[in-house]
Order: sequence, then C-alpha cells, then structure tokens
Amino acid sequence: DVKVTQSSRYLVKRTGEKVFLECVQDMDHENMFWYRQDPGLGLRLIYFSYDVKMKEKGDIPEGYSVSREKKERFSLILESASTNQTSMYLCASTTGLAGGREQFFGPGTRLTVL
Amino acid sequence: GEDVEQSLFLSVREGDSSVINCTYTDSSSTYLYWYKQEPGAGLQLLTYIFSNMDMKQDQRLTVLLNKKDKHLSLRIADTQTGDSAIYFCAEKRLDDYKLSFGAGTTVTVRA
Repeated sequence: DVKVTQSSRYLVKRTGEKVFLECVQDMDHENMFWYRQDPGLGLRLIYFSYDVKMKEKGDIPEGYSVSREKKERFSLILESASTNQTSMYLCASTTGLAGGREQFFGPGTRLTVL
Repeated sequence: GEDVEQSLFLSVREGDSSVINCTYTDSSSTYLYWYKQEPGAGLQLLTYIFSNMDMKQDQRLTVLLNKKDKHLSLRIADTQTGDSAIYFCAEKRLDDYKLSFGAGTTVTVRA
C-alpha cells in the first residue's frame, strides 16, 4: 500500500526558530511536493523536487527552503519561523514524467508559530 | 497562473445527491481531479478525468466535464454521513508537474 508519512502531526514553534518538516515516501517516486493549506485558499505549492538534489520553486517559496538528499525524503525548512507561517503543511509524491497523474498525500503537519 | 474556483460550502440531506461544481481557466489542462479530505487527514484521490472525456462514473460518483465552459462537477449519489469532508477540484497540464487546486468545498451531510 502506498504510503507518505510526515514526521509530526502537530508542531508548535516560536517566532524566529528554525523548523524542519520531514516527509518520507516508500513508493520510489521521483517527484515530491510541499504544499500549505489555508482555509479559503486551498492548497498552494511551496516547492517541488523531481529528482534527488533537484528542486523547483512553486507559487509561494518565500520564507521556505527544501532539501532532497535521498529519493525517499523531502524536507521543508523554515529558516526563521514567523506567525504568518502558521498553517497546515502537506507533502505529496508521484511518479512519471511531468509529475505523473495521481499525487499521494501525507496526513499533514499542523504548524503553529507563536 | 491557473485559476480553479469552487463554492466554499454545501449542505445536503442524507440520502440526497450532492453536486459540487468547479470552474477552471487553463484550456490546456489535461487531467482534472477530485480529492477528498476528511477531518484531520491528508487528501485522498477520489477520481480523475482526462480532458478528452465528457463523463466518468465510478460507483456513487459521477464526474461531468464541459470543456467549452471549462466546468467540472462531481455528483455523489445517495450521500452518506461519511461523505462529510472537504472536496478539492484540481487541474494539471500534461507537460507540467504542478497541480492547481481550488479552495475546496466543505460538504456537510445532515440527517
């Protein structure tokens, strides 16, 4: 069974802290994505990666960076967390050229920045 | 970028049909998706349709696509309490990695 896991379901951090959100998939997928979900805005793409060590900016990359050192793991980094980064963060993966068809999602990490 | 729009809320009585509507702007969209998100969970793909299709049926779900009007709908027959969730419409071009999502429609099923 397809599985995307995220390191934490809930996270509370303070303004200015460095925050790491981890995502792991066990499907040998080439492509991995980080989204944030906010009420009334749907999902917005932060970054994606189509191969190890490769990354592309999404629609809202400001204030975030990513790391993909291994195929199965994609990390989202908030260098200095701010209150406007309080949100639900969803990781997804898929296979195939140009992103394939179905994206498989993790359960999400609800991050609160105080 | 691409715009995908949905109404934000839908309330339906148990046993009735639900219809969730979505409009999109990118005429080169190739795949159109419906995802479901239950409370506290990630997104689960319900169904998808290729842009060269008009309709797709899968058990209680029927997807209708009107390419001329760029309108996509999801009909859920015999709506149950377990269908209460947020439903996201999304579209993707063949040559792109990105999915563009609508804001999501919160469906509430009342007894």
